[in-house]
Amino acid sequence: QAGLTQPPSVSKALRQTATLTCTGNSNNVGNQGAAWLQQHQGHPPKLLSDRNNKRPSGISERFSASRSGNIASLTITGLQPEDEADYYCSAWDTSLSAWVFGGGTKLTVL
Amino acid sequence: QVQLVESGGGVVQPGRSLRLSCAASGRTFSSYGMHWVRQAPGKGLEWVAAISHDGSNKYHADSVKGRFTISRDNSKNTLYLQMNSLRVEDTAVYYCAKGGGGGGYHFDCWGQGTLVTVSS
Repeated sequence: QAGLTQPPSVSKALRQTATLTCTGNSNNVGNQGAAWLQQHQGHPPKLLSDRNNKRPSGISERFSASRSGNIASLTITGLQPEDEADYYCSAWDTSLSAWVFGGGTKLTVL
Repeated sequence: QVQLVESGGGVVQPGRSLRLSCAASGRTFSSYGMHWVRQAPGKGLEWVAAISHDGSNKYHADSVKGRFTISRDNSKNTLYLQMNSLRVEDTAVYYCAKGGGGGGYHFDCWGQGTLVTVSS
């Protein structure tokens, strides 16, 4: 099953802003939106934003999600050392009747 | 708040079977769907299967279709993944994750994972 496309790595300086992208198509991101998850090494993933761009309770306002056409984006403002992690997007694909994940973006905070 | 605990992982030979379990506590189990997601060593997340809150709808990834089956027992607050004809490439940490419904979001709660190693 074809997955979503994410850049493998992004590096940004402390306190700067990072924008991560997730490219899908009209069967998934384009009409279903994308969820965003954060995973630190050795830990299970954590949901940052659901596919309607809503943050679960307890997630910092520094994380915000948006979508334009078939591309979903996660913006992280005021980067902190603890933001260094892997970030994944996921969407329901209506043509596959399956969930698909992106390959993940490793965010490095310099 | 939902808590999820996986069990049943281990080392198994190619071609053999294994059943994973995921015990849920907290919010009413029968009110939300569930997922299995796996992560091979050093790799990204791969969705495996999902099931609706009442078990009436099931979905499986092409990579496991015909070999793995997701199911649930709402009377026991438990999710299952029956894995047959296991392959070396099925080696991964298997996570159960909460699905939609019950007032929450898909993937808003995860277990700690259970490691499945397929090796001769």
